[in-house]
Amino acid sequence: EMQLLESGGGLVKPGESLRLSCLASGSTISGLTFSSYTMTWVRQIPGKGLEWVSSISSSNNYIYHADSLKGRFTISRDNAKNLLYLQMDSLRVEDSGLYYCATEVSGRLYTLWGQGTPVTVSS
Amino acid sequence: DIQLTQSPSFLSASVGDRVTITCRASQGVNTFLAWYQQKPLRAPKLLIYSASILQSGVPSRFSGSGSGTEFSLTISSLQPEDFATYYCQQNGFPPTFGGGTTVEIK
Repeated sequence: EMQLLESGGGLVKPGESLRLSCLASGSTISGLTFSSYTMTWVRQIPGKGLEWVSSISSSNNYIYHADSLKGRFTISRDNAKNLLYLQMDSLRVEDSGLYYCATEVSGRLYTLWGQGTPVTVSS
Repeated sequence: DIQLTQSPSFLSASVGDRVTITCRASQGVNTFLAWYQQKPLRAPKLLIYSASILQSGVPSRFSGSGSGTEFSLTISSLQPEDFATYYCQQNGFPPTFGGGTTVEIK
């Protein structure tokens, strides 16, 4: 069974940076592994619900970020290491929340999620 | 971006009740609409996609309907494990989520 495990969250001050990681292990029932999937970061902001952050295709060919992030976040992946990353720069208080990685299938449907890693931005 | 408005935000119901949650899109999304269930301290779980197709393993008491701008999720007979928060999501680009509906025990 494929599993996702996020890490790297924590408490930072406004303007600082964090890099989140998502480690994939195992394979799905159909035999697919991390390198087969488009991967996505979704965040959950208290009081604001779920928000799509960024997606990267299986072979790094396509990368998409939410316009609202104004270029502060960068998604990347290392298929050899089964790792997905989210580099977050110039963090703001409003970026605080729980950050999930998820597999994306059939056009922006999220079928497998990690447990999330919390990010708190506070002075 | 397309905005999704769910109603109600909260509802109290009893085991065995029939429950319906509505999701309204700010512009038409055809049937590119999914529903997720989230329990406390857990990640969301995909229940329904393409407005009405049940994800594998999801009980048949869950059903979805709608197209364009009006959608609904119905639980035909609420079970104890169904008390959770439900989110709709349109899977166009960029994808967006509704604000959620929390189903609480009456």
